Amino acid sequence: GQQVMQIPQYQHVQEGEDFTTYCNSSTTLSNIQWYKQRPGGHPVFLIQLVKSGEVKKQKRLTFQFGEAKKNSSLHITATQTTDVGTYFCAGPAGAAGNKLTFGGGTRVLVKP
Amino acid sequence: EAQVTQNPRYLITVTGKKLTVTCSQNMNHEYMSWYRQDPGLGLRQIYYSMNVEVTDKGDVPEGYKVSRKEKRNFPLILESPSPNQTSLYFCASSARDSRTDTQYFGPGTRLTVL
Repeated sequence: GQQVMQIPQYQHVQEGEDFTTYCNSSTTLSNIQWYKQRPGGHPVFLIQLVKSGEVKKQKRLTFQFGEAKKNSSLHITATQTTDVGTYFCAGPAGAAGNKLTFGGGTRVLVKP
Repeated sequence: EAQVTQNPRYLITVTGKKLTVTCSQNMNHEYMSWYRQDPGLGLRQIYYSMNVEVTDKGDVPEGYKVSRKEKRNFPLILESPSPNQTSLYFCASSARDSRTDTQYFGPGTRLTVL
């Protein structure tokens, strides 16, 4: 079945630095969603990408959908302590069913 | 306020004692689902429902049951809980299609089965 992998699993970042987390799917995706889960909280929707090569920005966060629509990335500029949390990508689980497959998440820790 | 609620938030139980975790949404969403979250495994879907009386298995349905008698409610039932069902559970809803619509998650239920 479809697999969605995220790397790295953990990301330790110095406050003020940039970093990127990656999401790779074993199958082509019609769209991809990103969610953020703060420590002790629940996942919260961030953004959805639909078009091949699409790039969207939310303040210091830049999301990109790969040309082949099998991978995506999230780049955070000038990391702040408010960026702490786990970031998940999720893609439709094939043609059958009405399901999303989530990646394992990237847990971001920020060093002040 | 638009929200998804779950109860209880925390539960410690023993093996074999039936339990139900309730989930309710006030957004008139058609689609609801249950996920479990385990370290390193992300969110894995247990069951989902596309509308009243329509439910289907997700990726890890064994040991769980669900029902959708009303649009707003989607309870998760563990008939005979086992220790490997110790996990953090999230209920989620979306307007119609989880593949394209934003999913709204409940606050989570932390379950421990001894």
